[in-house]
Amino acid sequence: QSVLTQPPSASGTPGQRVTISCSGSSSNIGSNYVYWYQQLPGTAPKLLIYRNNQRPSGVPDRFSGSKSGTSASLAISGLRSEDEADYYCAAWDDSPSWVFGGGTKLTVL
Amino acid sequence: QVQLQESGPGLVKPSQTLSLTCTVSGGSISSGGYYWSWIRQHPGKGLEWIGYIYYSGSTYYNPSLKSRVTISVDTSKNQFSLKLSSVTAADTAVYYCARVVIVDARGDAFDIWGQGTMVTVSS
Repeated sequence: QSVLTQPPSASGTPGQRVTISCSGSSSNIGSNYVYWYQQLPGTAPKLLIYRNNQRPSGVPDRFSGSKSGTSASLAISGLRSEDEADYYCAAWDDSPSWVFGGGTKLTVL
Repeated sequence: QVQLQESGPGLVKPSQTLSLTCTVSGGSISSGGYYWSWIRQHPGKGLEWIGYIYYSGSTYYNPSLKSRVTISVDTSKNQFSLKLSSVTAADTAVYYCARVVIVDARGDAFDIWGQGTMVTVSS
């Protein structure tokens, strides 16, 4: 059971906008930054969003992050076939430990 | 460009100690500004943070694994290592090493990852 809760799956058609949610608590998302990682099939995770809504160099602006209270969301606009991957949210928890969501498998129909 | 590469046995017997090494290339562990971390992913599951180390040797561990984990650093070889003792089948996972940007004591983004190495615990 992951500390951060994500839907196990999401889907969309090319060009569509898709959002993935991540729910936590006051000890993690509620008081710390949220990060998002993309894991393409058979590869290592890759940093996608840091500090709630910042994109590393090279990440398309189709990807955006937001946070409100103890929840966060990743939005992908203009969905493309190469976006098909697993997406994980993460945050520091005051336990203290880094915690991750269980991951959301995004399917591009 | 900094790259990380995990190495170590792919098969460990139950009750033994799992040992992995991460070799950093393209940059120096001693340059500061980063933690060096281990994360694992059970088959078909999510990610679990194991812990990280600063080049000075300061360590931070996941409380749920702390009693069995040791992370060490060898700056002369530009490597850091993981030891996980008393392993069981539940420790079967892909183990990743990663670099963590330091903005404050908690760390920030896990910005560079190794390709991962599968470790199976079985007799």
